[in-house]
Amino acid sequence: EIVLTQSPDTLSLSPGERATLSCRASQSLNSNYLAWYQQKPGQAPRLLISGASTRATGIPDRFSGSGSGTDFTLTIGRLEPEDFAVYYCQRYGPSPPWSFGQGTKVEIK
Amino acid sequence: QVQLVESGGGVVQPGRSLRLSCAASGFGFPNFGIHWVRQAPGKGLEWVAVMGSDGSTKYYGDSVKGRFTVSRDNSKSTLYLQMNSLRVEDTAVYYCARDIWVGDQKGFFDYWGQGTLVIVSP
Repeated sequence: EIVLTQSPDTLSLSPGERATLSCRASQSLNSNYLAWYQQKPGQAPRLLISGASTRATGIPDRFSGSGSGTDFTLTIGRLEPEDFAVYYCQRYGPSPPWSFGQGTKVEIK
Repeated sequence: QVQLVESGGGVVQPGRSLRLSCAASGFGFPNFGIHWVRQAPGKGLEWVAVMGSDGSTKYYGDSVKGRFTVSRDNSKSTLYLQMNSLRVEDTAVYYCARDIWVGDQKGFFDYWGQGTLVIVSP
């Protein structure tokens, strides 16, 4: 089973700052099948990025994904108040389990 | 618009059963895989189970294998999760989520329901 490890666990930043979130896989991901989700308190997760770097429909361009193999990054260019949330990476592909990282909380400093 | 609405959650004693439903609308339900993903209180996301668009492919996470069964009724655009032999550690919000289920791009979720809470308590 591929294990995803996110860092840091918590990121304390101010609105307008840049956020850089990391996701490391225990094995190389085929075809960069890596997704990122955002979850706000009391809400369901929302797909942000698939294929490591392709923004989902309606996602602002301040969100960008990069990386390949085992190391992936989600960057939020300039934090807006609504961006403070928990972010999860997830590997997908032809076979299960489709595991998630443990999450990174982006909180207001 | 795409909608997924879960129902059937509640409080149940350990060892008992519960059936969750996920009613879909706004898209061609038979053409998509639908997953269950759960989140224990204050914890992260855990993939639980999926039923593929072919209606026969089913996969389960190790923690629920042998206890949970997924099924779907395409005529009702509804996915079910039959949960038997429930344990305290099954307490979570259960989300259903849509999967494009195309080629080898399986297991990422473009739409989610709002979830239904299952509490397993003596």
